[in-house]
Amino acid sequence: AQTVTQSQPEMSVQEAETVTLSCTYDTSESNYYLFWYKQPPSRQMILVIRQEAYKQQNATENRFSVNFQKAAKSFSLKISDSQLGDTAMYFCAFPSGQAGTALIFGKGTTLSVSS
Amino acid sequence: DTGVSQNPRHKITKRGQNVTFRCDPISEHNRLYWYRQTLGQGPEFLTYFQNEAQLEKSRLLSDRFSAERPKGSFSTLEIQRTEQGDSAMYLCASSLYGNEQFFGPGTRLTVL
Repeated sequence: AQTVTQSQPEMSVQEAETVTLSCTYDTSESNYYLFWYKQPPSRQMILVIRQEAYKQQNATENRFSVNFQKAAKSFSLKISDSQLGDTAMYFCAFPSGQAGTALIFGKGTTLSVSS
Repeated sequence: DTGVSQNPRHKITKRGQNVTFRCDPISEHNRLYWYRQTLGQGPEFLTYFQNEAQLEKSRLLSDRFSAERPKGSFSTLEIQRTEQGDSAMYLCASSLYGNEQFFGPGTRLTVL
């Protein structure tokens, strides 16, 4: 079965610090996408970053970057220069089948950024 | 781009009643997804449509749940004979084929 595991239920960091959220997954697919979504308190979920499994280069979006280790089935999210607005629940996700099908989500990591 | 919208945002109902939620996707998106999210958990897939065709249903979608997308635009999710275990946030998302899924704000259902 395809699964996603986020082993850190909660994390705290101060403004301007760097934090890394971990995610491991299991799939039999060889070509797939991986996603990190952000869900701020009482607000809708938005895509933070995505990684295509066939690309060796790690994806980067401004202060957000990933460390993708395909062989280890690991997909961690690094947030640099943390800001108060980064406070949210973060979910790792990947499609259950081919691209565009249902997403399987981890249980999430609640990140709190304090001043 | 008005984004994905969902109505109502909140629904409180008594056990045994039927409820219906509506999702309006981003206009050019041909795929529409329904997820359920309970407190402190990640979303769980329920079903998805490509245009008006319902292509996949999760085992979570019991016989009391039905979803439609009659004209390939908006979608409705109906829950019959609600149970307290149905209390959750129901999320809708849309995408253009296999591209990024954009999520709506969700409908929070409370079954008393």
